[in-house]
Amino acid sequence: IQMTQSPSSLSASVGDRVTITCRASQSIGRYLNWYQKETGKAPKVLIYAASSLESGVPSRFSGSGSGTDFTLTISSLQPEDFATYYCQQSNSSPYTFGQGTKVDIK
Amino acid sequence: EVRLVESGGGLQQPGRSLRLSCAASGFIFKNYAMHWVRLSPGKGLEWVSGISWNSADSDYADSVKGRFTISRDNAKNSLFLQMNSLRAEDSALYYCAKDIAPGTGTTDPIFGNWGQGTLVTVSS
Repeated sequence: IQMTQSPSSLSASVGDRVTITCRASQSIGRYLNWYQKETGKAPKVLIYAASSLESGVPSRFSGSGSGTDFTLTISSLQPEDFATYYCQQSNSSPYTFGQGTKVDIK
Repeated sequence: EVRLVESGGGLQQPGRSLRLSCAASGFIFKNYAMHWVRLSPGKGLEWVSGISWNSADSDYADSVKGRFTISRDNAKNSLFLQMNSLRAEDSALYYCAKDIAPGTGTTDPIFGNWGQGTLVTVSS
């Protein structure tokens, strides 16, 4: 299953609402997870099962979607949110990631 | 606190072997499925392999099937990846990752905790 994220990169300001989309090449139900990867740090899970917020993750992060189309939304971008975001399907092996969306400072 | 510490990476020639290790602490290791995920500049994040909590099930990406072997030692809270017949395209930062929920097999992996990674470079 191929996962395609858009955009590949975006520039935004603190306080902006940011939306990242992820499309699967076939239906994956709600088996979709989102990760944040900061430079020099290990990836961190934000959202699992399309819309479940991982414990400790700020509520400004939210996920939605099912089937083939999914969205990660950051309601009000904070300085610590500038990072690369990846979606990952856990529906079937091999468990593929999107190519990533880099969010940087405008 | 969950801690995952990878080791064993380094520079190796094509066709040779490397064995990665991951030392786990801060949780009941024997209860969780574990995975290896790699990050490379050209390919981004790529799931490599997973093993169930009791070693009954293991799974591999097509790109490494037949060359890599995942294993674990629950008595020593350790995860391993034996990498044979290395290729240049195996060069990457290799992460050990713990499944988010206990008692799972290799299916529906959600990578709840990650180590800092160990760098593998395959070059002559």
